[in-house]
Amino acid sequence: QPALTQSPSTSASLGASVTLTCTLNSGYSDYKVDWYQQRPGKGPRFVMRVGTGGIVGSKGDGIPDRFSVWGSGLNRYLSINNIQEEDESEYFCGVDHGSGSNFVEKVFGGGTKVSVL
Amino acid sequence: EVQLLESGGGLVQPGGSLRVSCAGSGFSFSAYAMDWVRQAPGKGLEWVSGISGDGGSTYYADSVKGRFTISRDNSKNTLSLQMNSLRADDTAIYYCAKERWNDGAVGSTPIDYWGQGTLVTVSS
Repeated sequence: QPALTQSPSTSASLGASVTLTCTLNSGYSDYKVDWYQQRPGKGPRFVMRVGTGGIVGSKGDGIPDRFSVWGSGLNRYLSINNIQEEDESEYFCGVDHGSGSNFVEKVFGGGTKVSVL
Repeated sequence: EVQLLESGGGLVQPGGSLRVSCAGSGFSFSAYAMDWVRQAPGKGLEWVSGISGDGGSTYYADSVKGRFTISRDNSKNTLSLQMNSLRADDTAIYYCAKERWNDGAVGSTPIDYWGQGTLVTVSS
């Protein structure tokens, strides 16, 4: 079954850029990954879906242009340019294992906590 | 505006039962698959269960299979999770979540809206 690995934490200065990585385990290089933002004390918020060809579909409601994604091999990346204080959050990636009648489960990574200095 | 409002959380003893519910509004409820996702205190997200738009297909994580039952009442725009034989490791915030595409099937689509969650604490 798929598994997702994320670094526990990272930080960036206000106005700088940061890139988060979500790594799939071997054998799942064709899987698309969903990125979610979770601010302290709040429910998660959908950011966007990414495959090896880049964004899949459209961003979540209200997601600023400074958020972008791309994918390569087993890695799926979320980049935040010109990081703002409101971007300080935990970011989770997730995948669907199967779909429709073949659906098995949704799997999430452990999350990356982003601090804005 | 899509809104998901959970209710029913609380303190329950190990081995006990609890039912949490979610009221959906601002979208055509029956057209969308729905999920429950939980988050233990200070931990990451764990998918618990999913249900198709018509309620005919249900799915469970291995950790809750046989103990939890997901259901929906499309006439009342309500999603529910019946939790039996609760254990300490079921302690978590339980989030109601809507899937993005209106094909009614679980999976293959992101979760695009989440509720604020309801806290379930299993402790003696």
